[in-house]
Amino acid sequence: SQQGEEDPQALSIQEGENATMNCSYKTSINNLQWYRQNSGRGLVHLILIRSNEREKHSGRLRVTLDTSKKSSSLLITASRAADTASYFCASYTGGGNKLTFGTGTQLKVEL
Amino acid sequence: GAVVSQHPSWVICKSGTSVKIECRSLDFQATTMFWYRQFPKQSLMLMATSNEGSKATYEQGVEKDKFLINHASLTLSTLTVTSAHPEDSSFYICSARQGANIQYFGAGTRLSVL
Repeated sequence: SQQGEEDPQALSIQEGENATMNCSYKTSINNLQWYRQNSGRGLVHLILIRSNEREKHSGRLRVTLDTSKKSSSLLITASRAADTASYFCASYTGGGNKLTFGTGTQLKVEL
Repeated sequence: GAVVSQHPSWVICKSGTSVKIECRSLDFQATTMFWYRQFPKQSLMLMATSNEGSKATYEQGVEKDKFLINHASLTLSTLTVTSAHPEDSSFYICSARQGANIQYFGAGTRLSVL
């Protein structure tokens, strides 16, 4: 089962614009992570935000976390064509042993 | 970050044959590895947790006799799809957990069963 629902399912923007993806999750978490997947490839860890943090930055990435709403958002600023990929939120469930993924957002950045 | 190698990246096989996929952690020891399955344009679904030196833990609905997992060393886990059928065609991804939180993923294996 999926831990998180993400929206939008797909997002198409122009290079230079910002991209925002949202994730809602079901169970309590210690932290929430975001991963990126290029088409037909494995996943790459982008950023982790702990449950006691509200916002975190890493380069052009900004993640927010609202534990009261069980939601998180990932903002990619000044997007580039190379940012085209699928983005997944994920958190540990099942007693902290299983990393469960959201449904994902497919981002396309056009030149 | 840590490196996880998955092999092969792509395999085509005939229905009824078995296929083995290897997952190696190259620069760290992984007592626990994970196997996921992913259908086109969908998310990753956890199939099983592979534990070094003990039996794998399978998720509900995953046939343990169909998907054999062996984790014989701290750096290698294998997934064998036995008697593969076209419905087993999918993208299989392994991962290894380093530390408390972050998992490192292999590049995935695309299995096509004819």
